[in-house]
Amino acid sequence: DAMVIQNPRYQVTQFGKPVTLSCSQTLNHNVMYWYQQKSSQAPKLLFHYYDKDFNNEADTPDNFQSRRPNTSFCFLDIRSPGLGDAAMYLCATQLRSGTGYQPQHFGDGTRLSIL
Amino acid sequence: GQQLNQSPQSMFIQEGEDVSMNCTSSSIFNTWLWYKQDPGEGPVLLIALYKAGELTSNGRLTAQFGITRKDSFLNISASIPSDVGIYFCAGRGGSQGNLIFGKGTKLSVKP
Repeated sequence: DAMVIQNPRYQVTQFGKPVTLSCSQTLNHNVMYWYQQKSSQAPKLLFHYYDKDFNNEADTPDNFQSRRPNTSFCFLDIRSPGLGDAAMYLCATQLRSGTGYQPQHFGDGTRLSIL
Repeated sequence: GQQLNQSPQSMFIQEGEDVSMNCTSSSIFNTWLWYKQDPGEGPVLLIALYKAGELTSNGRLTAQFGITRKDSFLNISASIPSDVGIYFCAGRGGSQGNLIFGKGTKLSVKP
């Protein structure tokens, strides 16, 4: 059974039209990550939430925002998508505790196309 | 910042052959992870390594955490067509849980 679920699997939006991607998890992990992955490249970290604490990567454009209303859900908002934002967006979760970090578990991604 | 060098970039092998790929870093990592990604899907964790020198197997896969903590390798024995995909190494260092990814090794297997 899928434990990190991303919806939709494929999303098409128009240039400049806001779009929201969603991620949910059944693992009760306290950390959720958003990555951008372009063709033939490694995943690039955009930001993550550790519980309710938001951690933005220094080179993540302001166009990208995130919300985590509860432990299970995390959203990626792209306010004004440009052609360069077409990519696979991956959500990952992780359990962090006082004893260390468990490996990250990934969803199957949302492939975003911009018209 | 920390960077990972993963090699080879791609491999074309015959079914039944063994495969070896590796990652090196200029800095020390506390954890090494190996993921496989199939087209259109998210990365799937294959092996996690937590101690220098650790050697761990998962079926036909074997990975080792280098003794210097700056490298790791992944071996696949007796490759089969479903081994096709992109293999990523990822390292974690310092006090953050964030991962640094290698650029991936694309594996093609000829039946």
